[in-house]
Amino acid sequence: GQQVMQIPQYQHVQEGEDFTTYCNSSTTLSNIQWYKQRPGGHPVFLIQLVKSGEVKKQKRLTFQFGEAKKNSSLHITATQTTDVGTYFCAGRKVGGNKLVFGAGTILRVKS
Amino acid sequence: GAVVSQHPSWVICKSGTSVKIECRSLDFQATTMFWYRQFPKQSLMLMATSNEGSKATYEQGVEKDKFLINHASLTLSTLTVTSAHPEDSSFYICSARVVGLAGGGEQYFGPGTRLTVT
Repeated sequence: GQQVMQIPQYQHVQEGEDFTTYCNSSTTLSNIQWYKQRPGGHPVFLIQLVKSGEVKKQKRLTFQFGEAKKNSSLHITATQTTDVGTYFCAGRKVGGNKLVFGAGTILRVKS
Repeated sequence: GAVVSQHPSWVICKSGTSVKIECRSLDFQATTMFWYRQFPKQSLMLMATSNEGSKATYEQGVEKDKFLINHASLTLSTLTVTSAHPEDSSFYICSARVVGLAGGGEQYFGPGTRLTVT
């Protein structure tokens, strides 16, 4: 079945350093979404990427969708303590209805 | 933005009893809702897809007789954990899909229900 791999599992950075999490799907995706979950909270939708090679920015966050629509990345520039949480990618395969979530990357930021 | 509520936010029940969790879309209609289960420090595992007016579609390995799902209206889906056991203790999260112009549809999650079975 469809699998979505996400790395790294965990990253601990110094405040001000950059952070990147990578997502790779076993199948071609119709779209990929990114979510952030704070400790004790629920996933919050960040963004959806649909087009091959698409790049979207939200302030310090940059999201990319690969040309083959099988991989994606989230890059945070100059991390802040408010960025802590788990970042999940979730992909929907072509013609599919359900989202398959990656394992998530736990981000800790040391001030 | 789209708001999804979930009730209760936490519940403690005794082994053998049943627990009902409600998921509501507050400001939009959701023809499809999804139920997830999340263990501590793990990802979200899709349990079932709930379609308004029809039977839910369960993922492989999820017992449909144990996790009863009812999607009676366009704004309400319920998950009932029947004859709960300690191993059913988990964080249960619902989400509703908003179909956007691109057709993909982002999902908005409820706040989750933490179930503890003693």
